[in-house]
Amino acid sequence: GAVVSQHPSWVICKSGTSVKIECRSLDFQATTMFWYRQFPKQSLMLMATSNEGSKATYEQGVEKDKFLINHASLTLSTLTVTSAHPEDSSFYICSARDENYGYTFGSGTRLTVV
Amino acid sequence: RKEVEQDPGPFNVPEGATVAFNCTYSNSASQSFFWYRQDCRKEPKLLMSVYSSGNEDGRFTAQLNRASQYISLLIRDSKLSDSATYLCVVNDVDMGYALNFGKGTSLLVTP
Repeated sequence: GAVVSQHPSWVICKSGTSVKIECRSLDFQATTMFWYRQFPKQSLMLMATSNEGSKATYEQGVEKDKFLINHASLTLSTLTVTSAHPEDSSFYICSARDENYGYTFGSGTRLTVV
Repeated sequence: RKEVEQDPGPFNVPEGATVAFNCTYSNSASQSFFWYRQDCRKEPKLLMSVYSSGNEDGRFTAQLNRASQYISLLIRDSKLSDSATYLCVVNDVDMGYALNFGKGTSLLVTP
């Protein structure tokens, strides 16, 4: 089946620094990658949809200059949290959709900003 | 964004019990429906898709009522390993192919 590899699994960073999260589709081409975040006891909330070779589409309330998304190839999408603050601490997870395999999720990244 | 509502629980049931989860969605144009399972600090995993005709997968039965915008999941003969959070998920046309998640219903199966 389809696999999406997400790294890192967890990261602790200082306020004001930037963190990059990578999602790679290992055995299929992910034209579209979805980025979600999940706060404790909350649902997964869609942050943005990225399409290979074009600008990401951000959901209302998500700052595109703070959460930089790059989808430069069919197998790699990255989310960079810039100038991270404690309120950005959350579980970030990517998902790719493939016509054959449906939706495949990365294993998630737990970000803690101190 | 249109809402997907679930009873948050928690549902505490003994092994062998039957438990039912309910979900309602607000967007009548929603196209696809799913139940996902999420274990603590893990990514969600697809449990089953949900169809208007109803579908069953072993101990799990899912139902969809489009007129009422209501989705259900029935788990029979609960196992300890069924303990998890169950997410009701809808694919809305206005979200493209992105999935719209409910907050989840927590299930704890006890010995």
